[in-house]
Amino acid sequence: KAGVTQTPRYLIKTRGQQVTLSCSPISGHRSVSWYQQTPGQGLQFLFEYFSETQRNKGNFPGRFSGRQFSNSRSEMNVSTLELGDSALYLCASSPEGRELFFGEGSRLTVL
Amino acid sequence: TQLLEQSPQFLSIQEGENLTVYCNSSSVFSSLQWYRQEPGEGPVLLVTVVTGGEVKKLKRLTFQFGDARKDSSLHITAAQTGDTGLYLCAGANSNYQLIWGAGTKLIIKP
Repeated sequence: KAGVTQTPRYLIKTRGQQVTLSCSPISGHRSVSWYQQTPGQGLQFLFEYFSETQRNKGNFPGRFSGRQFSNSRSEMNVSTLELGDSALYLCASSPEGRELFFGEGSRLTVL
Repeated sequence: TQLLEQSPQFLSIQEGENLTVYCNSSSVFSSLQWYRQEPGEGPVLLVTVVTGGEVKKLKRLTFQFGDARKDSSLHITAAQTGDTGLYLCAGANSNYQLIWGAGTKLIIKP
């Protein structure tokens, strides 16, 4: 069974730009969650989608958004990038939203 | 606000020693999970405990869920260098939300 695939793995952007990250979940998993991980703040929950609906949302500004498609693939977007957005962005899929299977992450560097 | 306090934050020990990592909360969770993350990779699920007082063993790793389902521990016997990593606990509530601990960075020295 293929695991969770995240693209791109690495990217560099400059302040003010926007970025879109993609996540393909494990086949059959309807829940996709996104997390931001930094050395200082640890693992921070962004949002969770279940069957194309946002079910839970973390405490991030509106610059962070996401969506889930009918095939369960998900994207997250960050607009007007700031230096502090530099982080590892992790996507996780789950059959129902509890036990998570993570991808390898997308490492974003904002210059 | 539900919180999950994980301790210690950092642990460096010699190969062959034993160790215990704790996750504590004042909230009750429907289940609790432990993950291990290695540098450059995403966390990998090790175990899920569901029943109060439950004990699960995964080779040299022993996981316990508190009787009241508010706390959990991970005990590693005879640690090996391959156990090095970031250990994370996460408690699930009835709203499909996961509450995460801050993590324990474990280094096993040869």
